[in-house]
Amino acid sequence: GAGVSQSPSNKVTEKGKDVELRCDPISGHTALYWYRQSLGQGLEFLIYFQGNSAPDKSGLPSDRFSAERTGGSVSTLTIQRTQQEDSAVYLCASSLGGQEYQETQYFGPGTRLLVL
Amino acid sequence: AQSVSQHNHHVILSEAASLELGCNYSYGGTVNLFWYVQYPGQHLQLLLKYFSGDPLVKGIKGFEAEFIKSKFSFNLRKPSVQWSDTAEYFCAVNARNTGKLIFGQGTTLQVKP
Repeated sequence: GAGVSQSPSNKVTEKGKDVELRCDPISGHTALYWYRQSLGQGLEFLIYFQGNSAPDKSGLPSDRFSAERTGGSVSTLTIQRTQQEDSAVYLCASSLGGQEYQETQYFGPGTRLLVL
Repeated sequence: AQSVSQHNHHVILSEAASLELGCNYSYGGTVNLFWYVQYPGQHLQLLLKYFSGDPLVKGIKGFEAEFIKSKFSFNLRKPSVQWSDTAEYFCAVNARNTGKLIFGQGTTLQVKP
């Protein structure tokens, strides 16, 4: 079946603008994760959804970052008033949502964000 | 706080050489362990994982890893690498009470034909 999809694949924006990044998880996966991959910081966790609720938001770097998930499916990551340090590849992953998190997270292709 | 350390940042090997990539983690509780690979231009995919049981796990493409609990290590091995193994390799850990993966900094493997 289809894997995790993300859109857009690339986004160039000007400093100070807001951006929205979208993730479509694998059908039936109740757990959804956002990560960020940047040159200086490697791969960092941002936020985790189980269904529509977000029990772990500990990785969001500032209050400019927010995310929501609706219908237990699609998720949107919003970055307000973008800064140049927000430039990175934003990755989404989904998993079945099993016990003790003993499961594989399947990653999407990412959205490459460049803030000018 | 949990952390994952990958000792080799950039490894260059010739085809048929043996590979071992080091990974150590810091966490006092029970963990799940993963190795992910990112081939050039592709997205992250799972190579292998360890949850419990036999500490020697086998993954795709001839890779294996051994969990040594006393050393907090989960090193990745392959007896004979191929040019197509050129990629970036990430070790990752999650605690049993949280889904978030903590990744190491990654190791870039370049295999010369």
